[in-house]
Amino acid sequence: EVQLVESGGGLVQPGGSLRLSCAASGFTFSSYSMNWVRQAPGKGLEWVSYISSTSSTIYYADSVRGRFTISRDNAKNSLFLQMNRLRDEDTAVYFCASAVTSGYWGQGTLVTVSS
Amino acid sequence: EIVLTQSPATLSLSPGERATLSCRASQSVSTYLAWFQHKPGQAPRLLIYDASNRATGIPARFSGSGSETDFTLTISSLEPEDFAVYYCQQRSNWPSSFGQGTKLEIK
Repeated sequence: EVQLVESGGGLVQPGGSLRLSCAASGFTFSSYSMNWVRQAPGKGLEWVSYISSTSSTIYYADSVRGRFTISRDNAKNSLFLQMNRLRDEDTAVYFCASAVTSGYWGQGTLVTVSS
Repeated sequence: EIVLTQSPATLSLSPGERATLSCRASQSVSTYLAWFQHKPGQAPRLLIYDASNRATGIPARFSGSGSETDFTLTISSLEPEDFAVYYCQQRSNWPSSFGQGTKLEIK
């Protein structure tokens, strides 16, 4: 069974940092590009970042570029999102998701940025 | 950046009726467009990829069509479990982007 399980969310003050993790199982993680997608309260889905299967290609949304860093460890079947200089508007449920055509998504982890 | 505009924002229909949802791109995305169903507290569910290909396990009542800038998701006969929010997403150009969503509600 395919599983993507996010962790690392929580409450953080503006300007703070968090590191999200996504543990993958049930598929050949190292063969898939991966994404982070978020959903702010009451809002729609927003694509955040992409990393290719070998980490050779990375993209970010303008809203997070320079503050967030995506990475992966294929040996540990894990995806990460280092989030620095967090802002109120980064408050959202963060989902990890595989390449679009495969359709694997996690249940999400909530990040709340508030003083 | 490619902007995806979904219409209508809300669609009120009854079970058994046909639903037609639209997604329009600000520039051509070829057929690199996907449709997702999202229910509160759940992971989004891939329905259609590359404009017209049903994902694994998706019922035949879901179909997608279109290319370039105009796309349609059709649900031929609504089941009670189909009432949710639907999003389109393009992967033609980076950054990737989602539409703002169409809420399909029970009339």
